[in-house]
This record gives sequence, C-alpha cells and structure tokens, in this order.
Amino acid sequence: QSVLTQPPSVSGAPGHRVTISCTGSRSNIGAGYDVHWYQQVPGTAPKLLIYGNINRPSGVPDRFSGSKSGTSASLAITGLQAEDEADYYCQSYDSSLSGVFGGGTKLTVL
Amino acid sequence: EVQLVESGGGLVQPGGSLRLSCAASGFTFTGYWMSWVRQAPGKGLEWVANINHDGGESHYVDSMKGRFTIFRDNAKNSLYLQMISLRAEDTAVYYCARLRWLHPNWYFDLWGRGTLVTVSS
Repeated sequence: QSVLTQPPSVSGAPGHRVTISCTGSRSNIGAGYDVHWYQQVPGTAPKLLIYGNINRPSGVPDRFSGSKSGTSASLAITGLQAEDEADYYCQSYDSSLSGVFGGGTKLTVL
Repeated sequence: EVQLVESGGGLVQPGGSLRLSCAASGFTFTGYWMSWVRQAPGKGLEWVANINHDGGESHYVDSMKGRFTIFRDNAKNSLYLQMISLRAEDTAVYYCARLRWLHPNWYFDLWGRGTLVTVSS
C-alpha cells in the first residue's frame, strides 16, 4: 500500500485530455511538501516530468502540467499522443523523514 | 553526455550480499546528493537511500536501515549500495538517481537504466 494514492489506470483518445490524481495526507502533501511527477515507459528508466508541483524541466512539452491543492495533486496531459502511453508516478516527502512515491498510474492512449 | 550507469546486479541467494555500483559522467559529481531507488517486478518505485556531496550524511527508508549502506567515491565519480542479509522481497531493479533539493523535499532529475537484483535460492 503506497503512502500516496493514484488510480491504477486512466485512458484517453488521441488529442483528448486526461488527469491523474495523487492523494496524500496531512503528513505529506497536506503538510505543504511539494509534489513531483515522473513518466516511465515500460522497460525504461523513469523520467522527470514535473517538479515543485508545477514546474517542467527543459524539454518537457507544455502539454504536461501539474497542480496541487490541499492533500492532493494532479497531473494533466492535453493533446494526448500515442507516445504518452506510459506509467506515471507522483512523489513527495513525508514527515516520517521519508521520500514517498505513489503506486503509479498506467496511461493507455486508445 | 550526462549519464548514470549502474552495474553489479545479479542472482544472489537469500541471506547473501551484493554491492551495486553507479558510474556518473558528464556532470560535476561532487556537486550533487545522490540516491538509490528500486522497483520490484511489476510494482511501483520505492526510495531506498540518499547520500550527501561528500558522503558524510546519509538517509535510508526505515525498512532497509542496517542492511543497506550507501556510499560514494568522489575520486571515481561513483556511487555504491552495499546490501547484506538479502531477502526475496529485495528483488528489484535498482536505479541510481541524481537528487535535487527543494527543501525540505527532493526530487530526481537524472536516472540510470537500472540493474536487476534477484534474490532466490
């Protein structure tokens, strides 16, 4: 059971918009700790997608955006493309002095 | 090229030991904290340990304290993870990752391809 809860799967048609939620608690996201997002194409290493809730590293398309409110955060992907099909993970910090990840969400592009 | 390359994974018996290595290149290794993150087969990511620039400070997930030791050799631009008393549940791909601080939180902006550790008799 992951400390941060994500839906196991989401799907969307090409060109459409999807969102992936990441729900925590008062000891992590709700305590004000930032949320970061990673994309992992199966069989490859994770790639940083969003850091500090809303920031995109250089090279990440602006189709990807992040937000945070209360004890939750969300990753939105607009203009879905086939290459977006991957697993997505949120990550934050917990007051137990531990880095924590969500369980991951598999995105299927229909 | 900026990259991290892990090595040292393999098959080990329960109770055995293994040392993983990570060779860093293309950036100033001494300028960064470094980490190990693992992923069990078909499962999600799990943070393992962090180490500071000079190796004088390290942090571990509670479940691995006492069994895993993270250390670095800055002269060789290398990061290591010494693992002892290995259990079947330690079977995973182990990733080396570069850590960036967003105090008091952190994130990982560079990842290696990982090395597979299989604990089985």
